This record gives sequence, C-alpha cells and structure tokens, in this order.
Amino acid sequence: GESVGLHLPTLSVQEGDNSIINCAYSNSASDYFIWYKQESGKGPQFIIDIRSNMDKRQGQRVTVLLNKTVKHLSLQIAATQPGDSAVYFCAEPSGGYNKLIFGAGTRLAVHP
Amino acid sequence: DTAVSQTPKYLVTQMGNDKSIKCEQNLGHDTMYWYKQDSKKFLKIMFSYNNKELIINETVPNRFSPKSPDKAHLNLHINSLELGDSAVYFCASSRRQDLSGNTIYFGEGSWLTVV
Repeated sequence: GESVGLHLPTLSVQEGDNSIINCAYSNSASDYFIWYKQESGKGPQFIIDIRSNMDKRQGQRVTVLLNKTVKHLSLQIAATQPGDSAVYFCAEPSGGYNKLIFGAGTRLAVHP
Repeated sequence: DTAVSQTPKYLVTQMGNDKSIKCEQNLGHDTMYWYKQDSKKFLKIMFSYNNKELIINETVPNRFSPKSPDKAHLNLHINSLELGDSAVYFCASSRRQDLSGNTIYFGEGSWLTVV
C-alpha cells in the first residue's frame, strides 16, 4: 500500500498463508508509525506501532518491519485467518505530531 | 463499553439540508477529532480539538462547524449539504494532543448520503 494511490490495492491470500502489506513514506524525519485495521462497516482499529529507533516489532501474529534507508514499512500477518480480512492502513503523526496522516490503505482478502 | 460513540450511524438527506453528527468519548481523553473517509477509503483529518479548543482545521469549507461543549464531546454540524459531502465521518480521540507514541481511537463511523 503506497501513501498515495488512485485505487485501493488488494492483496489476496489463502487462509493459513502469511501476508505482507507494504507502505512507503516520504519524510525521512518521521519517527513513529502505526498500523490500523478497518473491518467492513467499522472504524479503524490500532494494531501495532513502531518507533524509528527500532527495525522490528512483534505482536500477536503480527510483525512490523521498518526500513529507514528506503523509507519503507511493512506489516506481516502470520497464518492469515478469515477474520484478518479488512483494509489496512499505515499512518504517521504530522503537523508537529498533532494529526495522524493515513496512507491509501490495502485491502486484504483471505480465501479459504 | 463503547469508547468512542457517534450518532447517527446512517444518515440520508437531501441537498441543501442541515445535519449534525454527535460524538462522545468515555476514555477521559483530552483530544478529539473528525476524519472524513471517501469512497476510495482515503482517510483525511478535518478538525481536532484539545480540551474544547480548536487545534486543527484542515481547510474544510465553512459549511462544516464543529462544536465541543466539553472535552468528552465533539459534534459536527454541516450546513447546506452538497452531493460531495457524501462520505463516512469518523470521530476519534486520543489521550493527549501529541501523537508521538499516542494512539487514536476511532468511533464506528457515520455514513452520510446526500441525495
């Protein structure tokens, strides 16, 4: 998922496979990133975050990787389940950390 | 317990009408927001309030007027609705204004359709 896009990219995976959702950012000074999950008909929900002094952070079945050299962020979901089907957004604070700017989002479709 | 609740969830109205969306958070947070999500799922901030004080107004038309009677409530009033106002409006809150290391919690959204 790029930070700017004209349409919503979709990632289709088989249940049980691992999923990798990508995000690019442009500001090399960015130092905090968040991943949100938005299920159909609901608001975005916080999944995991990472500060720029880390390269990797793990949660339950999710891992976020940060590559500051190429300004790239990824969310890895292990053993993807049907309940993981949603739109995933990367986000970062901006405007003096007063507002959250969201990427364009990636739709994850999990097939049985 | 619902942390950030907004009403109504669905709203269908005619062009030119005036409508309001209400939002309440029971998290004890200082900062509240309104975000707009378009048909392509793009999320964009509209306003933020910190302790009832307007902090951010992202060049939103004057037809949109937020009001925060106290720090637990942030309502959005929209005058003279236009077709392009059709979107999902999300209320959100955070513990404090500084978002570094600080999570934003979203409500379930209000689906506005202008016909």
